[in-house]
Amino acid sequence: QKEVEQDPGPLSVPEGAIVSLNCTYSNSAFQYFMWYRQYSRKGPELLMYTYSSGNKEDGRFTAQVDKSSKYISLFIRDSQPSDSATYLCAMSGGAQKLVFGQGTRLTINP
Amino acid sequence: EAGVAQSPRYKIIEKRQSVAFWCNPISGHATLYWYQQILGQGPKLLIQFQNNGVVDDSQLPKDRFSAERLKGVDSTLKIQPAKLEDSAVYLCASSLEFGADTQYFGPGTRLTVL
Repeated sequence: QKEVEQDPGPLSVPEGAIVSLNCTYSNSAFQYFMWYRQYSRKGPELLMYTYSSGNKEDGRFTAQVDKSSKYISLFIRDSQPSDSATYLCAMSGGAQKLVFGQGTRLTINP
Repeated sequence: EAGVAQSPRYKIIEKRQSVAFWCNPISGHATLYWYQQILGQGPKLLIQFQNNGVVDDSQLPKDRFSAERLKGVDSTLKIQPAKLEDSAVYLCASSLEFGADTQYFGPGTRLTVL
């Protein structure tokens, strides 16, 4: 079993739709949870950073962490074609290395 | 603020050849990481430096991969000899401090081994 599981998609939705991306994990030591966005032929860029359980909102993006279920989500409201990218969840226990999910390839259709 | 720089951006070699990648982190960042990202997968940490010391190289295939960060600034990652399964994007990242601090990634070097 992988430490972090993420549905690779691909996921294709119309512009303006609400997008839900999810990851599950098995390591209960994880405390820091991140979402990275990676455009084609670019390096990942940090989108959201959450410590422990709860919600965090930044503009059209909302990150949720449910440590009891070992489940994290990223919601994108009013999705735009510029949101088309691969979204990677990542997590760590602090001093431990960052462990990434497989990435979900998302396409927003105009 | 300049980002993480990597070169070359692309490299094509034949199996059993050697190759080296270079990374210059964001100025002042003490921690430097090398990741391997195989097509369709998330990045996998190969090695982590804190200044010029190795913190974690548990997933580095040491029989063929080596890395150094002399003077605690830029770093090189070498593969010798390369195998077909080494075809991947090699990403360098840096962070200000060790631990859960935000990592900033470079554009990567895309390696194709024929």
